[in-house]
Amino acid sequence: GAVVSQHPSWVICKSGTSVKIECRSLDFQATTMFWYRQFPKQSLMLMATSNEGSKATYEQGVEKDKFLINHASLTLSTLTVTSAHPEDSSFYICSARDMSGYYEQYFGPGTRLTVT
Amino acid sequence: QKEVEQDPGPLSVPEGAIVSLNCTYSNSAFQYFMWYRQYSRKGPELLMYTYSSGNKEDGRFTAQVDKSSKYISLFIRDSQPSDSATYLCPLSGGYNKLIFGAGTRLAVHP
Repeated sequence: GAVVSQHPSWVICKSGTSVKIECRSLDFQATTMFWYRQFPKQSLMLMATSNEGSKATYEQGVEKDKFLINHASLTLSTLTVTSAHPEDSSFYICSARDMSGYYEQYFGPGTRLTVT
Repeated sequence: QKEVEQDPGPLSVPEGAIVSLNCTYSNSAFQYFMWYRQYSRKGPELLMYTYSSGNKEDGRFTAQVDKSSKYISLFIRDSQPSDSATYLCPLSGGYNKLIFGAGTRLAVHP
């Protein structure tokens, strides 16, 4: 149980284009999902908290107009990287908190974004 | 001072060894403790969670929490090469956030 999927697992895009990443909780409902990015050999950095049916809360320093988050249902959140640049190349990971649990989060497998 | 401190390692041990991974934290408000394992280029996998001081065991893994010392540990018995990964001990912050430390890289060699 407690499986989170992400799609795509790897994407390459050209500079200036937009990329959408999907995060789904497969066997539980999640009112709250989180988006992280991770650079090589570094720990996870929280980008934003996504709540179903409301606007996402972004961490300090994260551009909300660049990283658009939509949490349209209890099992799906999307992250759209708009006008991507090479410095946006990173590993993006989502997580979801089970409504019936406490603070533990279940993570997706991650999406590797490469902007050329 | 960082909220969660972990020795980044790498920690290298022979197969079959008992591994001890540790974290310290600074904020006594933390009440919920978790251990995740992350393989390279994968998302973190939840290993254990607890909200009380003391030990919690699950197979080869034992989580130990000492709230008075703000110190948490993960013990791995009979370590295997497949245990080679980065181990994370995030703590629960406000608004359901997880506060991550650097993670400890573990290498178990045959």
